Amino acid sequence: AQSVTQLDSQVPVFEEAPVELRCNYSSSVSVYLFWYVQYPNQGLQLLLKYLSGSTLVKGINGFEAEFNKSQTSFHLRKPSVHISDTAEYFCAPPMDSNYQLIWGAGTKLIIKP
Amino acid sequence: KAGVTQTPRYLIKTRGQQVTLSCSPISGHRSVSWYQQTPGQGLQFLFEYFSETQRNKGNFPGRFSGRQFSNSRSEMNVSTLELGDSALYLCASSRVGGVVEAFFGQGTRLTVV
Repeated sequence: AQSVTQLDSQVPVFEEAPVELRCNYSSSVSVYLFWYVQYPNQGLQLLLKYLSGSTLVKGINGFEAEFNKSQTSFHLRKPSVHISDTAEYFCAPPMDSNYQLIWGAGTKLIIKP
Repeated sequence: KAGVTQTPRYLIKTRGQQVTLSCSPISGHRSVSWYQQTPGQGLQFLFEYFSETQRNKGNFPGRFSGRQFSNSRSEMNVSTLELGDSALYLCASSRVGGVVEAFFGQGTRLTVV
């Protein structure tokens, strides 16, 4: 079964600066990974997903993530953040054989003006 | 197509009361999952339903129950409410088969006073 670890509970960054949110995974089988975003007082929505193929995955709102097998990582990046990116970001594998999502702890992205 | 709809969005209840939350999945999605989100515990799995059957249940007391109807709509019920039940309750729907992503509703914010 897959599991993920999000290394930072909060990441403060200045507006228009680049950001990287870290996610590491562990799995002994084929790896599939998702990044979800939760804006304040909202549900979660899918940002991007890695299923196979190109290791650089582009998502919505200018985000991208790179799947790195040797480092077992799937870090999320954006070259220039905006105040509207203030949200909590979750890394997760797909629903497991017990029909549940095993979530990372989440990383709060805090944009400083 | 319409997204996942959760009703109501906000709810205030008194300790000892019971509450029923509703979730209408995306058309064609037959799997519905429920999650509780609190600041201290993050996202915790409550249960998952498919074809009116509960396939898995998280580590919550029996006061938390759910059901799914033949049209895939789902309800969850919490009886004898406690202050600690105050949380954002999220419903997610998924198609079945393959590597599935979850589609979330906006959530129901339950406050127990």
